[in-house]
Amino acid sequence: DAMVIQNPRYQVTQFGKPVTLSCSQTLNHNVMYWYQQKSSQAPKLLFHYYDKDFNNEADTPDNFQSRRPNTSFCFLDIRSPGLGDAAMYLCATSTGRVGGYTFGSGTRLTVV
Amino acid sequence: GNSVTQMEGPVTLSEEAFLTINCTYTATGYPSLFWYVQYPGEGLQLLLKATKADDKGSNKGFEATYRKETTSFHLEKGSVQVSDSAVYFCALIIYNQGGKLIFGQGTELSVKP
Repeated sequence: DAMVIQNPRYQVTQFGKPVTLSCSQTLNHNVMYWYQQKSSQAPKLLFHYYDKDFNNEADTPDNFQSRRPNTSFCFLDIRSPGLGDAAMYLCATSTGRVGGYTFGSGTRLTVV
Repeated sequence: GNSVTQMEGPVTLSEEAFLTINCTYTATGYPSLFWYVQYPGEGLQLLLKATKADDKGSNKGFEATYRKETTSFHLEKGSVQVSDSAVYFCALIIYNQGGKLIFGQGTELSVKP
């Protein structure tokens, strides 16, 4: 089945140690998104790629970076994770047209 | 600006009760409207959608009608099950304004046997 896959499901990292989360899709969608969701809150958009064009939300911290080497893969890099970065990170894709987003199962990040 | 407001949770119901989760929106354009469901520890799943006024989205016994006159997209189900316990998010997209999915704050539903 075509889908959005996030790895790993659970990630534990040390305070200040760089960490990378990955997302892949078999839907061939143009647009890929990264959301941060903290406990009991709505997901918050960090950035998105429309094809190779990168779009950063104004309030996304500089600590967060992203790479999209090809259509299928997108990575979220957290350069120096702090305790406040512990959250569920959701990847999503869309065609950019009517139909909504398809979300992955998420990666739950714990910072120790 | 564009925003979504949902009724506050948690909502606690007995099995087979009727469910309504209210959702209203503010939009400067013509949004498409969505309900997403999130089960504990999982990502978001699209539950249903409606792309224009008076459309009714439906899936798994859930329904919502796009009401432009009241700017609402309330979620309903006639008889809830324990397995419906989850957090429900109402959301909108305006495709000619960058296509960003804008979420409401989420409503937690707990269904008791």
